[in-house]
Amino acid sequence: DAGVTQSPTHLIKTRGQQVTLRCSPKSGHDTVSWYQQALGQGPQFIFQYYEEEERQRGNFPDRFSGHQFPNYSSELNVNALLLGDSALYLCASSLGTGGENYGYTFGSGTRLTVV
Amino acid sequence: AQSVTQPDIHITVSEGASLELRCNYSYGATPYLFWYVQSPGQGLQLLLKYFSGDTLVQGIKGFEAEFKRSQSSFNLRKPSVHWSDAAEYFCAVGARWNDMRFGAGTRLTVKP
Repeated sequence: DAGVTQSPTHLIKTRGQQVTLRCSPKSGHDTVSWYQQALGQGPQFIFQYYEEEERQRGNFPDRFSGHQFPNYSSELNVNALLLGDSALYLCASSLGTGGENYGYTFGSGTRLTVV
Repeated sequence: AQSVTQPDIHITVSEGASLELRCNYSYGATPYLFWYVQSPGQGLQLLLKYFSGDTLVQGIKGFEAEFKRSQSSFNLRKPSVHWSDAAEYFCAVGARWNDMRFGAGTRLTVKP
């Protein structure tokens, strides 16, 4: 049973560029949440997608956007990259937006470095 | 607003010794509380969670945590640490899973 798959694992981009990160949820899960984890910090909630719509959003600028596809996979897009966007981006999948009974499964993350 | 404080950035214990990682939270209502572990290059793995009921929660890998409302704490414990427990540990609080706020983490080093 495949867990959460994220691609790519590492990425280096130049300031001002745009980046797309991808996530395939665990089999049977229909909800995807994205987190940003800066070095030495805990994960910060970016947003959550369910039924192809953004359902919840954390305190992140509009440069951060996303998408969910009919097969429940998701993309995170970041425009106009800043040096401060360098972080580990984690994807978590769950069944339903609440998740109390099933829990979140996290991927291994994408390490984004902005130079 | 909810927040989580993990007072210890780094803890070193000897293999076989007991472990306690501290977590204090701030939240206006009864929170949902979680402990996650993150090994290098890995995602977050849920160790245990507290929603309601018995304040002593058992988790995977021999970990347990106790919810103390009067102290706003949810400390993680293990009676005997193994070298494989070396990792980063995160406490999280939330009203719903998608509103989880994480602490800054405690890095655990295990001495042989």
